[in-house]
Formats: sequence, C-alpha cells, structure tokens
Amino acid sequence: GESVGLHLPTLSVQEGDNSIINCAYSNSASDYFIWYKQESGKGPQFIIDIRSNMDKRQGQRVTVLLNKTVKHLSLQIAATQPGDSAVYFCAENLYSGYSTLTFGKGTMLLVSP
Amino acid sequence: KAGVTQTPRYLIKTRGQQVTLSCSPISGHRSVSWYQQTPGQGLQFLFEYFSETQRNKGNFPGRFSGRQFSNSRSEMNVSTLELGDSALYLCASSWTGGAENEQYFGPGTRLTVT
Repeated sequence: GESVGLHLPTLSVQEGDNSIINCAYSNSASDYFIWYKQESGKGPQFIIDIRSNMDKRQGQRVTVLLNKTVKHLSLQIAATQPGDSAVYFCAENLYSGYSTLTFGKGTMLLVSP
Repeated sequence: KAGVTQTPRYLIKTRGQQVTLSCSPISGHRSVSWYQQTPGQGLQFLFEYFSETQRNKGNFPGRFSGRQFSNSRSEMNVSTLELGDSALYLCASSWTGGAENEQYFGPGTRLTVT
C-alpha cells in the first residue's frame, strides 16, 4: 500500500489497550472538529465529530475530547484492535462555513496483536 | 451506494507538462472538494465546487485549477508541472458542502512528476 506520511509521530500499542491520540488545532475561531482515519492506499474516513459547544462526544469505541482553552483535541480509542492501525488526522472548520477543512499533520497508530 | 471514484489512480508526468484528474462524487452529492496530500505539508485544501461554481479556494498558485460539470463530476488541472506537485490528490464529496455535512473521500490519484 501507499505511505501517506513519512515523518509522522507514531503511537505503538498492544491489542486491547486504550489509545489516545492528541491534536493541537490552529484557529481559535474554529468551532467544528472532525477526526479522520486513513488506511494505506485509501482516502480519509470520517470517525467522529464535535462542535465547540461540547467538550466530549462518544461514539462506538471512540471518544473525542475538546479543550478550547488550550486549543487541543484528543481521540480515545477503547480496546484497540489491529484493524485500527492507520494514520489519524484531526481537522477543523467553521461550522457555519463551507467544507474547507484544515487538517493536522496526523499520527500513525500501530497496533500489535 | 457507490463511493467517490477518482481516475486515474496513478499518473507519472514530466516537469512542464500538464495533467487533468477526474472525480465522480457519490450520487446526489453536489459539493466536491479537492485536497493535496504530501509527506511534508500533509493534507491541504485546494478548492471546493458546488453547482458548477468554485466557492472557495486554498492557497495554491494559479497553475492549479478546476471545474465542475452539471452532473457534479469534477476535474482538476495542473499546468506546467513542477517536481513539488508530486502528491496524492484527494477528492471529497458531500451533499451541500456545509461544514456539518460529512465529507466522503475518494482513494486519491497519486501523481509523480519526474
């Protein structure tokens, strides 16, 4: 498969562990945030989103936390599985704006069986 | 339903040439956005089209252009290719292009400029 990033921070975990991926966003005016997962050879895939009027949102095995004070997002993955191995990106936007996302640099998650 | 498709998947061009990439959005989606992905700069927004009109444009030179057809299919063109244009070009579609509309990405076109 294709490499989507050669110099990404990497998080290595064991299967079954909980994973936490962090992201610092750039625009204090951003009010809508999304996490994407990108597997080798594929485009980014939506995982979960959160608006700035929330500080936590949960999905299936995933939780996103938002700290607007320090412009920080985190993605928590519970009971990480080998299929979760991918590059994870946070993206920010203005909720009232168009779909012109500003992406973070990405974190590679490696899950060992 | 079929996802976003991009053609071709791989392309090799020479400096100075021009290239056209194609994107077919999910049926019913009217907004198409283009992104460039490189190891150094990550994912960067190029432009977004809705109903055949460019609504927003990223910070790229005029060599990068695009258009959208009445069936929502979109093409992007890069003229006078430079080595630095080597990248994965991703297309994403959504219903109306509003920020709250989930964007669905295609697999990308890998462009190599030699």
